Amino acid sequence: QVQLVQSGAEVKKPGASVKVSCKVSGYTLAELAIHWVRQAPGKGLEWMGSFDPEDGETINTQKFQGRVTLTEDTSTDTAYMELSSLRSEDTAVYYCTTEAFDIWGLGTMVTVSS
Amino acid sequence: EIVLTQSPDFQSVTPKEKVTITCRASQSVGSSLHWYQQKPDQSPKVLIKYASQSISRVPSRFSASGSGTDFTLTINSLEAEDAATYYCHQSSSLPHTFGQGTKLEIK
Repeated sequence: QVQLVQSGAEVKKPGASVKVSCKVSGYTLAELAIHWVRQAPGKGLEWMGSFDPEDGETINTQKFQGRVTLTEDTSTDTAYMELSSLRSEDTAVYYCTTEAFDIWGLGTMVTVSS
Repeated sequence: EIVLTQSPDFQSVTPKEKVTITCRASQSVGSSLHWYQQKPDQSPKVLIKYASQSISRVPSRFSASGSGTDFTLTINSLEAEDAATYYCHQSSSLPHTFGQGTKLEIK
């Protein structure tokens, strides 16, 4: 059974970067696409992008304008989402989810505050 | 990008009632429309895939229909545990988008 285990909460200052990890167990990351979705407090779901083993990175450039980098380390079955130039509006829970959106991590809370 | 508009935004319902939530897309998504349930402080959980495909572990009171631009999620005989926010999601074209959510409150 596939499980996604995400890294812990982060507090960052405006302008900094954050890197969230998502470790896959029960499957091989090299055969799995991972999507990243975020949710600001009290708000809806927003797709950030995905990393597919065959196609590589696909980013929601309309929303994130080159601030998001998605990577994978297949030796540790861990996917990463890095968001740069953080601003207060980036305060949110960040989720990783599998290619069919049927398995989700528990989320990582990222707080951006001076 | 494709905009998904759900209605209503909020509904207060009594147990055993039948609930219908609609999701309208700004352009056709074919059948690439999915439904999720999210309870407070939990991750979203998929209820229905590809407009009407049931998920094995999801109670049978959840069903959905539609294609193109108009979709419906139906909850028959609502139970107290169905209090949650429901989202539709399209995977027809990039970027993936979600509806704004429909919050169900149980009276």
